Amino acid sequence: DAGVTQSPTHLIKTRGQHVTLRCSPISGHKSVSWYQQVLGQGPQFIFQYYEKEERGRGNFPDRFSARQFPNYSSELNVNALLLGDSALYLCASSLYLAGGGDTQYFGPGTRLTVL
Amino acid sequence: ELKVEQNPLFLSMQEGKNYTIYCNYSTTSDRLYWYRQDPGKSLESLFVLLSNGAVKQEGRLMASLDTKARLSTLHITAAVHDLSATYFCAVDPGSQGNLIFGKGTKLSVKP
Repeated sequence: DAGVTQSPTHLIKTRGQHVTLRCSPISGHKSVSWYQQVLGQGPQFIFQYYEKEERGRGNFPDRFSARQFPNYSSELNVNALLLGDSALYLCASSLYLAGGGDTQYFGPGTRLTVL
Repeated sequence: ELKVEQNPLFLSMQEGKNYTIYCNYSTTSDRLYWYRQDPGKSLESLFVLLSNGAVKQEGRLMASLDTKARLSTLHITAAVHDLSATYFCAVDPGSQGNLIFGKGTKLSVKP
């Protein structure tokens, strides 16, 4: 079975631009979470969606937004890019809301570089 | 502010040796996760610990959880080069799937 997939793999943008990152969860998984991993640090939680509704938001500015589609895939949008947005963006899916200790399975990530 | 602290952050060890990575967290959490990350790669789930006293083992790795002490350990037995990677622990304090990660422990196993 296919794991979590993300696109694109790599992306180079300039300051002020907008970016959209995409994620397809494991088949049957209804929860998708987004994380930002800056080089040398652990992933930092951005958003969680379950059944197309936002269920959690981390400490990120309003320039970051996301949505989940009826097929449970998800998009992460970042407006007005800053140099500090350069990071690996990870998508994770789980079967439920993870309240039962569900494992979150991570995708390969999108490497975003902002110049 | 919730903190998840791992130590050591860097660990260089010889093949065949044993060592333990520690993960302390500052708030109540009944579940703790261990992940492995190879350079340039994504995170691979290793263990999910769901209760106080939980112990799980897979190959040369064994993880345990003490929720009263807010401490988890990842013990490495007879290390081999293939275990070289960065290991992260994460807690889920609200049981909502919003994982809070430590900074990671970069393990290098040398012959």
